[in-house]
Amino acid sequence: EADIYQTPRYLVIGTGKKITLECSQTMGHDKMYWYQQDPGMELHLIHYSYGVNSTEKGDLSSESTVSRIRTEHFPLTLESARPSHTSQYLCASSEYSLWAETQYFGPGTRLLVL
Amino acid sequence: SQQGEEDPQALSIQEGENATMNCSYKTSINNLQWYRQNSGRGLVHLILIRSNEREKHSGRLRVTLDTSKKSSSLLITASRAADTASYFCATGPNSGSARQLTFGSGTQLTVLP
Repeated sequence: EADIYQTPRYLVIGTGKKITLECSQTMGHDKMYWYQQDPGMELHLIHYSYGVNSTEKGDLSSESTVSRIRTEHFPLTLESARPSHTSQYLCASSEYSLWAETQYFGPGTRLLVL
Repeated sequence: SQQGEEDPQALSIQEGENATMNCSYKTSINNLQWYRQNSGRGLVHLILIRSNEREKHSGRLRVTLDTSKKSSSLLITASRAADTASYFCATGPNSGSARQLTFGSGTQLTVLP
């Protein structure tokens, strides 16, 4: 099991609420990622970070925002949740490599917006 | 569009049989990886094969890579019920500083006891 944690595991909230999904890793990895995955579907990269104070948008446009103030912590925030945000959100991390990277995933947060 | 596409989308076999999943991709890569995802969980890295390698083994897993056909296969031998999961291929690009992995759409494997 990788040392990467996500909370909460499940979240059911009403439309318009602000939410923050937490992700933390204890491996000292520089790179961290957020993916969105609908059940049985592919992963879509929505945010990534090379290190502290670095954040980039991924391939899939998302209304969420991220921050990277500490190496081990990469929270994702939705200012106003909508039913279209219902999905599973996976956080991952990797060591920086010039050649190839293996990603370590957290258990995911399943979000349901009513 | 997705870089990697797995085939088949779903596969159901009996325990003890071999399972083969295929992955095709579109652009030049420097490595290809396979990950496993149990239902409702995160992904777990299984194996990585470099672009200059043709075959790699790890326990009951065998991965092949054909860069001329831009395809890879994952073979699980002597399958067990515990192998039931979704399997994703992920490609690492051959150029660019980002070197983000691009994941395919996955194959859902069911191993029946």
